[in-house]
Amino acid sequence: AQSVTQLGSHVSVSEGALVLLRCNYSSSVPPYLFWYVQYPNQGLQLLLKYTTGATLVKGINGFEAEFKKSETSFHLTKPSAHMSDAAEYFCAVTQYNQGGKLIFGQGTELSVKP
Amino acid sequence: DADVTQTPRNRITKTGKRIMLECSQTKGHDRMYWYRQDPGLGLRLIYYSFDVKDINKGEISDGYSVSRQAQAKFSLSLESAIPNQTALYFCATQLAESTDTQYFGPGTRLTVL
Repeated sequence: AQSVTQLGSHVSVSEGALVLLRCNYSSSVPPYLFWYVQYPNQGLQLLLKYTTGATLVKGINGFEAEFKKSETSFHLTKPSAHMSDAAEYFCAVTQYNQGGKLIFGQGTELSVKP
Repeated sequence: DADVTQTPRNRITKTGKRIMLECSQTKGHDRMYWYRQDPGLGLRLIYYSFDVKDINKGEISDGYSVSRQAQAKFSLSLESAIPNQTALYFCATQLAESTDTQYFGPGTRLTVL
């Protein structure tokens, strides 16, 4: 069965500091991996996704993530945090044979201090 | 206008009441999903539909039912609401493939007293 673990339910960084949000997955076949962001009182919005090909994927708002098969990880990074990055972030996984059903991690709330 | 809309946005109801949450989309997508979000648990899939005649149970379908009235409309019903169904409910749409992005509505906050 697939699963996703996000390490750290709350992460706090200073403005301008590196953002690192961790995601580990389990999957019996090659996974499709997604990062979504949820701003307060809004729905989820796709940040980036990995399906096949290049393992380093770039998304919106300066975020990127690297698929590491050997580590079963898909960590999200941003070199320099901005106040507007404060939100909740969700990692999700699916497989080609799962009909698009996403399995989500529990979420990580990112706070950005001035 | 938003591509995926949900009504109502907020609802307070009492135990035992029947309630319907509605989702409409203008994206022309075939696939639609209903998720619930609980703090610390992320989002969990309730039901999903690939077209009007193809409806499937998700991870946590007990106590819920759905109706796909048209390609653009997918409703979630709680036949007899209970307090542990208090949650934030999201509808999502997807074009056709598992690698396609899922687009989420703004959510419905449901409280069952």
